[in-house]
Amino acid sequence: GAGVSQTPSNKVTEKGKYVELRCDPISGHTALYWYRQSLGQGPEFLIYFQGTGAADDSGLPNDRFFAVRPEGSVSTLKIQRTERGDSAVYLCASSSIPTSGRASEQYFGPGTRLTVT
Amino acid sequence: AQSVAQPEDQVNVAEGNPLTVKCTYSVSGNPYLFWYVQYPNRGLQFLLKYITGDNLVKGSYGFEAEFNKSQTSFHLKKPSALVSDSALYFCAVRDGTGGFKTIFGAGTRLFVKA
Repeated sequence: GAGVSQTPSNKVTEKGKYVELRCDPISGHTALYWYRQSLGQGPEFLIYFQGTGAADDSGLPNDRFFAVRPEGSVSTLKIQRTERGDSAVYLCASSSIPTSGRASEQYFGPGTRLTVT
Repeated sequence: AQSVAQPEDQVNVAEGNPLTVKCTYSVSGNPYLFWYVQYPNRGLQFLLKYITGDNLVKGSYGFEAEFNKSQTSFHLKKPSALVSDSALYFCAVRDGTGGFKTIFGAGTRLFVKA
């Protein structure tokens, strides 16, 4: 079946603008994760959803970052007043919690490369 | 706090030779450990995981990893490297206290020379 998809693949925006990044998880996956990956680094955890609710948002760097998943499927990561330091690849992943619980592996999307000029 | 260390930025190995990519971790409780691989221009892919039981776990593409609780390590291994194994490898850990937060290492680039 289809994997995790993310749109747009690339986003260039000016400092101070608002951006939305979209993630479509694998159908039926209840868990959804957002990560940020800077050059030369591993993925940095941002937020985890179980269904519609954010079960762990401890990785969001500040209140400019917000994510929603209103129907328990598609998720949107929203960044207000973007800064040059927000430039990174934003990764989304999903997993099937009912199948393997906390042992479940994650399936990653291709990422959205965000560049703030 | 959870943490993962991959002490080598790059590992170089000749095709046909065994390879090891190192990972050490620090978590509360019993860890869930994962290896992921990132090929050029492709997304992260799951390789294998350790949950409990046998310390040697086998995964995709002939890779295996050995869990060592006393050394808090989870090194990735393969008996005979292929040029096509050249990629970026990430170790990841989820702690044993009930959450789903996953911490990734900085990654190790594996270069297999023909």
